[in-house]
Amino acid sequence: AQKITQTQPGMFVQEKEAVTLDCTYDTSDPSYGLFWYKQPSSGEMIFLIYQGSYDQQNATEGRYSLNFQKARKSANLVISASQLGDSAMYFCAMREGLRGGYQKVTFGTGTKLQVIP
Amino acid sequence: DSGVTQTPKHLITATGQRVTLRCSPRSGDLSVYWYQQSLDQGLQFLIHYYNGEERAKGNILERFSAQQFPDLHSELNLSSLELGDSALYFCASSAGVDTGELFFGEGSRLTVL
Repeated sequence: AQKITQTQPGMFVQEKEAVTLDCTYDTSDPSYGLFWYKQPSSGEMIFLIYQGSYDQQNATEGRYSLNFQKARKSANLVISASQLGDSAMYFCAMREGLRGGYQKVTFGTGTKLQVIP
Repeated sequence: DSGVTQTPKHLITATGQRVTLRCSPRSGDLSVYWYQQSLDQGLQFLIHYYNGEERAKGNILERFSAQQFPDLHSELNLSSLELGDSALYFCASSAGVDTGELFFGEGSRLTVL
């Protein structure tokens, strides 16, 4: 079974509009962390936002917010006021095994976002 | 600049050859992760080291091996290379075994001809 599922291979959004990128996850670990990364065409991986499983509040970083719904096992990324520079691949990722010992960070297959002027 | 250094940035080699990719984590980071990203694919987790010790293994082929040295730099060795090994190989580091975000290097792009 996929640990991280991103069901939107590609999305378009109008400049200055908000967009939501979906991410669902699967884990039996009680303690885990969720990340979003951006990969522009240049290839580097840019960290955007992090949510711990025990965090009560949804994480926010500037124009990025993470809509964390623990019961539904979803961690959607919301980008407000889209800019042309937001055009990129976006990856959702999960860290499991936070109590030490075995642990790894698994990435989804990504969503390609294109911002239209 | 993430502070994670990967060398070489680009590498072209032939099938059957062996290459070594090197990663220097951010200063003070004890965890090093290796990922493989094939063309238009997501990131496949290969292996995780923490302070010199292997902590987790993903879909790493037997032809591939890795280690983390006492100075915390890491090397990923790829042998008996095949065309399908052509990919972008990322190294990432984090402060601890269970803390915060991963900081990625710029990747090493391997082309096998």
